[in-house]
Amino acid sequence: ETGVTQSPTHLIKTRGQQVTLRCSSQSGHNTVSWYQQALGQGPQFIFQYYREEENGRGNFPPRFSGLQFPNYSSELNVNALELDDSALYLCASTTGGSSYEQYFGPGTRLTVT
Amino acid sequence: AQSVAQPEDQVNVAEGNPLTVKCTYSVSGNPYLFWYVQYPNRGLQFLLKYITGDNLVKGSYGFEAEFNKSQTSFHLKKPSALVSDSALYFCAVGGFSGGYNKLIFGAGTRLAVHP
Repeated sequence: ETGVTQSPTHLIKTRGQQVTLRCSSQSGHNTVSWYQQALGQGPQFIFQYYREEENGRGNFPPRFSGLQFPNYSSELNVNALELDDSALYLCASTTGGSSYEQYFGPGTRLTVT
Repeated sequence: AQSVAQPEDQVNVAEGNPLTVKCTYSVSGNPYLFWYVQYPNRGLQFLLKYITGDNLVKGSYGFEAEFNKSQTSFHLKKPSALVSDSALYFCAVGGFSGGYNKLIFGAGTRLAVHP
């Protein structure tokens, strides 16, 4: 098991609502990334935060936003939920550059009805 | 466009037999290549990576992978499969310019090891 934790484990929301997912990074890790894993697919990169600043973003609309706090924990916020947002959301942390492996949390399963 | 392909949705192998899970990639420059494993209701666990150097890299749980630049492949291998190896395996590529740790994943290959 990695030291990355996520909450909640499962979440059910209605289309149009807003949701906040939380991630606690592994100790000493200053970089956190968020991924969306739809059913039967590989994870898709949403964005990355380094020292409280977003420094990279994938092909996701602006209604996906995030925060990183001084203790390097992070939040993913999704506004105006759509049915296609139903997925497993994974948080990953690392301490180094892109040659370093990322450590993933167990994920939050979001269902939008 | 940068992409990772895992051509097999599922690989079936008998316990004790060697296993191979295939991965090919299409990226510009010199890629960093990773293998992760996902068990039910759990996040991805890192198995191994290739950054530079020896084309054969060894990782966790007896797994290894061979980097082949000419074939743009990074196949995962294990000499003797265990039933407990049954899981979903993802190949990923990173090391992109821009200074951030984006990973591009394949769609995954389900490994089923039968007793």
